[in-house]
Amino acid sequence: ETGVTQSPTHLIKTRGQQVTLRCSSQSGHNTVSWYQQALGQGPQFIFQYYREEENGRGNFPPRFSGLQFPNYSSELNVNALELDDSALYLCASSLQGVWSPLHFGNGTRLTVT
Amino acid sequence: SQQGEEDPQALSIQEGENATMNCSYKTSINNLQWYRQNSGRGLVHLILIRSNEREKHSGRLRVTLDTSKKSSSLLITASRAADTASYFCATDSEPGWGKLQFGAGTQVVVTP
Repeated sequence: ETGVTQSPTHLIKTRGQQVTLRCSSQSGHNTVSWYQQALGQGPQFIFQYYREEENGRGNFPPRFSGLQFPNYSSELNVNALELDDSALYLCASSLQGVWSPLHFGNGTRLTVT
Repeated sequence: SQQGEEDPQALSIQEGENATMNCSYKTSINNLQWYRQNSGRGLVHLILIRSNEREKHSGRLRVTLDTSKKSSSLLITASRAADTASYFCATDSEPGWGKLQFGAGTQVVVTP
């Protein structure tokens, strides 16, 4: 089975720009969750997508948005980038309705200058 | 805000020693999970303990859960250099599967 893959691995953007991060979920998983991890901190839940709709959101502003596609892959979009958006963005896939662990990708390191 | 807090923040031990880290959380939970992260890469699931369980083992890992104290501990026995990583506890509080709240982590360094 294929694991969770994220692209790109690293990205440098300028404040005010927009960015799109991509995630392919593990085969057989129908749910994708996105997390932001600042340096030295634990991951913070951004939102989750299931059946192509947002299925829960953490304490993040509307400029953080996402999509899920019929093949369960997902995108995270961030508009009007701020310096504090610099972080490791992690995508995790799982199977809805099952108490099972999350399978994480290796993340996208975003640097905003 | 972080749901859980790990203690200690950092731990340095020698190979063969045991490593113990603790996690406290604030709200009621459905389950508690422990993850490992190697130097800024993705998190790897280690073990899941349900709210009605008190202890669980997996290989060299032993996890305890005390819901009355809202705390958990992770013990790694006979540590190896490959165990060097950051360890995070995560709680799953709502029936939504996958909306985890992580602590800030314990950084463990195992020296040969």
